[in-house]
Amino acid sequence: DTGVSQDPRHKITKRGQNVTFRCDPISEHNRLYWYRQTLGQGPEFLTYFQNEAQLEKSRLLSDRFSAERPKGSFSTLEIQRTEQGDSAMYLCASSLAPGLAGADEQFFGPGTRLTVL
Amino acid sequence: AQSVTQLGSHVSVSEGALVLLRCNYSSSVPPYLFWYVQYPNQGLQLLLKYTTGATLVKGINGFEAEFKKSETSFHLTKPSAHMSDAAEYFCAVNGNNRLAFGKGNQVVVIP
Repeated sequence: DTGVSQDPRHKITKRGQNVTFRCDPISEHNRLYWYRQTLGQGPEFLTYFQNEAQLEKSRLLSDRFSAERPKGSFSTLEIQRTEQGDSAMYLCASSLAPGLAGADEQFFGPGTRLTVL
Repeated sequence: AQSVTQLGSHVSVSEGALVLLRCNYSSSVPPYLFWYVQYPNQGLQLLLKYTTGATLVKGINGFEAEFKKSETSFHLTKPSAHMSDAAEYFCAVNGNNRLAFGKGNQVVVIP
């Protein structure tokens, strides 16, 4: 296993368009997280899944954002009607389920950089 | 809620000199603390972590950090900076099923 992967790495879109990002976590990891990182800032939590269940969403995740993890494996993050303020790096991370040794560590993917024109 | 504070967004250090990046945390429960490094256009890579046990934690690439409960600090150090250490460094605390990150330190290494 080569770690967490994300696709695409870069996305340029026009304001008002919809975009979808994909994250493939480490195969044995039950938990999957999405973070957003804007320029000059640290990553901010958006949402997380345990298996296919979305357990929490941040207030940063407006109604235009939706995330899914349909089979408990890969996840998608969709942004509808993109705005210039959505321009950021979207990071995905995964971890083992709580209670397992090493569950405290999150492994990050390379991110998807979104630019909204 | 748990949080961390990193001061001084840009840090310049001469090659071979000490690298010191400061992190202070706020947590209502015993914290799990992390330092991550991010190279341009890449994701975050774990440098080291503190969960329980020994308060001096050694990580990859010669970095180490010391957990000091009395000072609510988890500062990152490396005795001798290398050009390859130029990157952005983030301190983070684990709480409520997510990581809370500081704003980061951009480290510039001067030859």
